Amino acid sequence: AQSVAQPEDQVNVAEGNPLTVKCTYSVSGNPYLFWYVQYPNRGLQFLLKYITGDNLVKGSYGFEAEFNKSQTSFHLKKPSALVSDSALYFCAVRRDYKLSFGAGTTVTVRA
Amino acid sequence: GAGVSQSPSNKVTEKGKDVELRCDPISGHTALYWYRQSLGQGLEFLIYFQGNSAPDKSGLPSDRFSAERTGGSVSTLTIQRTQQEDSAVYLCASSLDMGLVGNEQFFGPGTRLTVL
Repeated sequence: AQSVAQPEDQVNVAEGNPLTVKCTYSVSGNPYLFWYVQYPNRGLQFLLKYITGDNLVKGSYGFEAEFNKSQTSFHLKKPSALVSDSALYFCAVRRDYKLSFGAGTTVTVRA
Repeated sequence: GAGVSQSPSNKVTEKGKDVELRCDPISGHTALYWYRQSLGQGLEFLIYFQGNSAPDKSGLPSDRFSAERTGGSVSTLTIQRTQQEDSAVYLCASSLDMGLVGNEQFFGPGTRLTVL
């Protein structure tokens, strides 16, 4: 079965510090991996995706993610977090055209 | 350009009543999805429409749930005889899904359903 796991329910960082949100995957075949962000009372916004090619994927709002096949991970990163990055982040894997999401990680960036 | 829109944004209903939730996908997107977001279950896939193909209904939790997509565009998710466990945020998404699994899905703002 295709699935992803987000081992941390919450991540707290100070503004200006690096932000990492972890995601590991379990898939058969080539993984199609996505990151989405959800702000309060809003729908999900697409951040970035890994389909094939370069293991370092750059996305919206200064976020990037590194695909690591040996560790089966797809961690989301931002070099310098902003207070406005505080939100709920979801990792997802695509299988049969539908997305299977992780449980989500709440990120809080303090000023 | 316009994104995915959903209506109503909030719906409060009494147990046993039927509800209809509407989704307008991004113009030109051939694929449309419904998901449900709830505290206990997280984000769950419900149903997928692709063009004129038969929909993938594998995620619908019971036969009280149904969905249709008219004219390849607007979709309606119907829940009959609502139960309290149906309370959740129902999210609609669309994508340019012309056989390419790498296309990202664009989500609407959701409909928050509360069943009293």
